[in-house]
Amino acid sequence: QQQVKQSPQSLIVQKGGISIINCAYENTAFDYFPWYQQFPGKGPALLIAIRPDVSEKKEGRFTISFNKSAKQFSLHIMDSQPGDSATYFCAAILTGGGNKLTFGTGTQLKVEL
Amino acid sequence: NAGVTQTPKFQVLKTGQSMTLQCAQDMNHEYMSWYRQDPGMGLRLIHYSVGAGITDQGEVPNGYNVSRSTTEDFPLRLLSAAPSQTSVYFCASRDYRQGNEQFFGPGTRLTVL
Repeated sequence: QQQVKQSPQSLIVQKGGISIINCAYENTAFDYFPWYQQFPGKGPALLIAIRPDVSEKKEGRFTISFNKSAKQFSLHIMDSQPGDSATYFCAAILTGGGNKLTFGTGTQLKVEL
Repeated sequence: NAGVTQTPKFQVLKTGQSMTLQCAQDMNHEYMSWYRQDPGMGLRLIHYSVGAGITDQGEVPNGYNVSRSTTEDFPLRLLSAAPSQTSVYFCASRDYRQGNEQFFGPGTRLTVL
């Protein structure tokens, strides 16, 4: 049972464009939603995170939009750059329930010149 | 701070062989975990530990054992390797009392023939 569903599986965006990755979750008890960025041959690294009491969080070119009623959240990468080419994972944590991270299946982003 | 370290980086095993994947962290984190990453499946939790002497199963624990004798180390043992265990393995740690950022190691790429 996939508790966090992520789409698309892969994404190609032109340099300067907007990259959008979507995630949906099932467990309404999740209370922390991070996004991880992974470059080839490396471990994932935290990119940005949001709590469900906030509808949007922005850090530089990266923005998380959160829709609690729809149980969806998304990552927007503005002015996408070739250096943003990586695999992105959304995740969810139930901090009071063992603190286990549940990951989406990942989106492979390629930003072309 | 070395962060989270993993050895070996690459390993090839024959079916039925056993081995231990090593993981260490120097951040004094109580929470440590092991994930496997397979194409299209995201990161799946194998086992986790909330402190020395305490371990629990994750989503895909079969065929793997763990122990946590110290805060720093969290080895993962493959008891009798099978081709289905061919994967990239990531160890991670988190100080869940200080926030939810999870730090990942560089990974071990395991091939079982």
